[in-house]
Amino acid sequence: GAGVSQTPSNKVTEKGKYVELRCDPISGHTALYWYRQSLGQGPEFLIYFQGTGAADDSGLPNDRFFAVRPEGSVSTLKIQRTERGDSAVYLCASSSLGGELFFGEGSRLTVL
Amino acid sequence: QKEVEQNSGPLSVPEGAIASLNCTYSDRVSQSFFWYRQYSGKSPELIMSIYSNGDKEDGRFTAQLNKASQYVSLLIRDSQPSDSATYLCAVNDNTDKLIFGTGTRLQVFP
Repeated sequence: GAGVSQTPSNKVTEKGKYVELRCDPISGHTALYWYRQSLGQGPEFLIYFQGTGAADDSGLPNDRFFAVRPEGSVSTLKIQRTERGDSAVYLCASSSLGGELFFGEGSRLTVL
Repeated sequence: QKEVEQNSGPLSVPEGAIASLNCTYSDRVSQSFFWYRQYSGKSPELIMSIYSNGDKEDGRFTAQLNKASQYVSLLIRDSQPSDSATYLCAVNDNTDKLIFGTGTRLQVFP
C-alpha cells in the first residue's frame, strides 16, 4: 500500500478483555515499530521487528502485551486482560534499513 | 534510562516570527537526531534529520546539533499559523529505535 495502514482506527473495550491491533507496513519495509502515545506525551517505544523477529521488545510494559510478525510484513499487537491504563493511541511505523520512520494513523484504544 | 527532554510549552509566537524549539538528550552515544511534527489527532511526520554537529537548513526549517552539549534545536523562520502543531524531538542510538521527547506545542497567532 501507499502508507502504513492500521486497523481498527478506534477500539472500545471493557476491562479484562483481549484486544488485537493490526499494522500493515509499507511494502518492502523490513523494520516495523510499535509505539504507544498517551495524551500530552510523546510516543513511547514498545517493540521493534527486523523481518520476522523481534529485535528489541524492551518497551513492552508487562507480559500482557505481545506482538508478532510471522511473515515479515503484517504485525499484530496483542493485549490480554486489558486495563484502563492501557487506553492510548497505538502507533505503528515502518522503515527500510536505516531509513526514515513512516507512521500510520494509529489505533485509539479505550478501555472502559 | 535514556531520556529526551523538551519543554512542553505552549510556545506562542506571532506570524512571521522565528520559533525556536529546544531538546536535550542524555545518551552520549546517540548518533541520529530527528524532528517530527504532529498535528492534533494525527500521526507524527518527519520534518528534519541531523547527524553531525552544526546547522542543517531545509526551507524555513533549520536544525542545530551540539553533541558536546547534548543539545538539538529546531528553528522555524517566518512562522505561519499552519505551523501550529506539536514538535517532537527524537533520538536514535545504536539500538535502531527512536526515543521521543514529550513534544513542544507551538502556537502561531496571526
